[in-house]
Amino acid sequence: GDSVTQMEGPVTLSEEAFLTINCTYTATGYPSLFWYVQYPGEGLQLLLKATKADDKGSNKGFEATYRKETTSFHLEKGSVQVSDSAVYFCALIATGGSQGNLIFGKGTKLSVKP
Amino acid sequence: GAVVSQHPSRVICKSGTSVKIECRSLDFQATTMFWYRQFPKQSLMLMATSNEGSKATYEQGVEKDKFLINHASLTLSTLTVTSAHPEDSSFYICSARVPGLSKNYGYTFGSGTRLTVV
Repeated sequence: GDSVTQMEGPVTLSEEAFLTINCTYTATGYPSLFWYVQYPGEGLQLLLKATKADDKGSNKGFEATYRKETTSFHLEKGSVQVSDSAVYFCALIATGGSQGNLIFGKGTKLSVKP
Repeated sequence: GAVVSQHPSRVICKSGTSVKIECRSLDFQATTMFWYRQFPKQSLMLMATSNEGSKATYEQGVEKDKFLINHASLTLSTLTVTSAHPEDSSFYICSARVPGLSKNYGYTFGSGTRLTVV
């Protein structure tokens, strides 16, 4: 079945460092791909998305490119801030799931130190 | 924007008791609500999909008699963990599809409930 694999955390970086969180997926067809972020004490929020191959999603300085050839959707940011500390989830829309539910990776906790 | 309010955020209960978790859509009508569970260092796993006014659809391996889902109105869905045991300790989170947005990305999430059964 469809699945998402993302790098395990926690990831600890200094402010202004470069961030990469790897995400690969297994799916039939052409899933839509997402990154969600969960700040402490809050619900999941959509960070960015891509719906077809070679699409680049971007938001708040974060970017991810839908690579069908490598089945990847890695999250990157050139210069992280303390306020980026959160848990990041890679996800896809299940192609055969019930009413389009999301399938998530395990989440990667990011801590950014000043 | 569309907001889902989930309560309680944390609950500790004794083994054998039942716990109810509520999710309310505050400024929209949620015809479909998804319930997820996350164990430590694991993915969020879909437990069930609830539709207003009808029975919930449970994923394989999820006991429907143990995890009772009620979606009696367009703004409220509840998950009741009956006769809870320590192995039910987990993080439960609800999600609603926001009407009017594309199927692909019109979702909003509650803040989650950390259940600890002692």
